[in-house]
Amino acid sequence: DAKTTQPTSMDCAEGRAANLPCNHSTISGNEYVYWYRQIHSQGPQYIIHGLKNNETNEMASLIITEDRKSSTLILPHATLRDTAVYYCIVGNYGGSQGNLIFGKGTKLSVKP
Amino acid sequence: DVKVTQSSRYLVKRTGEKVFLECVQDMDHENMFWYRQDPGLGLRLIYFSYDVKMKEKGDIPEGYSVSREKKERFSLILESASTNQTSMYLCASSVPGQGLDIQYFGAGTRLSVL
Repeated sequence: DAKTTQPTSMDCAEGRAANLPCNHSTISGNEYVYWYRQIHSQGPQYIIHGLKNNETNEMASLIITEDRKSSTLILPHATLRDTAVYYCIVGNYGGSQGNLIFGKGTKLSVKP
Repeated sequence: DVKVTQSSRYLVKRTGEKVFLECVQDMDHENMFWYRQDPGLGLRLIYFSYDVKMKEKGDIPEGYSVSREKKERFSLILESASTNQTSMYLCASSVPGQGLDIQYFGAGTRLSVL
């Protein structure tokens, strides 16, 4: 699976958009980009995923560059409850081969 | 909403005890996983099950076994707990996705072995 690079930490003001970048320059053509987050002392939570088109759901938007070498997760109106570690993962296989490889992620702190 | 329930949030056991961690999911998912999470090491897969009574070893199966007698329940067993098994244990179930399965996690069990 391709590796990902994320900033260690970011701050965001409550109510503002949080834009979390991820570099995945060695991603292969059939690998998807996934985002999960983990709030302190809880299990990881799936947020969104995509292949090449931008995606939006009730939690967030995912913007993938045309060359697919990087992506940005956007939380449009961050709240204090969005404070968490956000993980960007790339991969393609399901089952045990698709066990999630979490890197260090980005610690997002949403401040009042 | 998918619900994955782990039987205990916190557990304290003694070295040598047999420990059972239980996980139940309510969405009829085929696949279930057990991970452990340690600071600086991320999530590591212990065991995976793709059907009732079926299992595969993950990256770190030593010292652990699993049981899946019913589709909704996946149990992790520490045969003889040791202090290096002190960790956060996370259970997940998944639906097949277009790429990786989308995994839904329980809240975790923080196990301390003294």
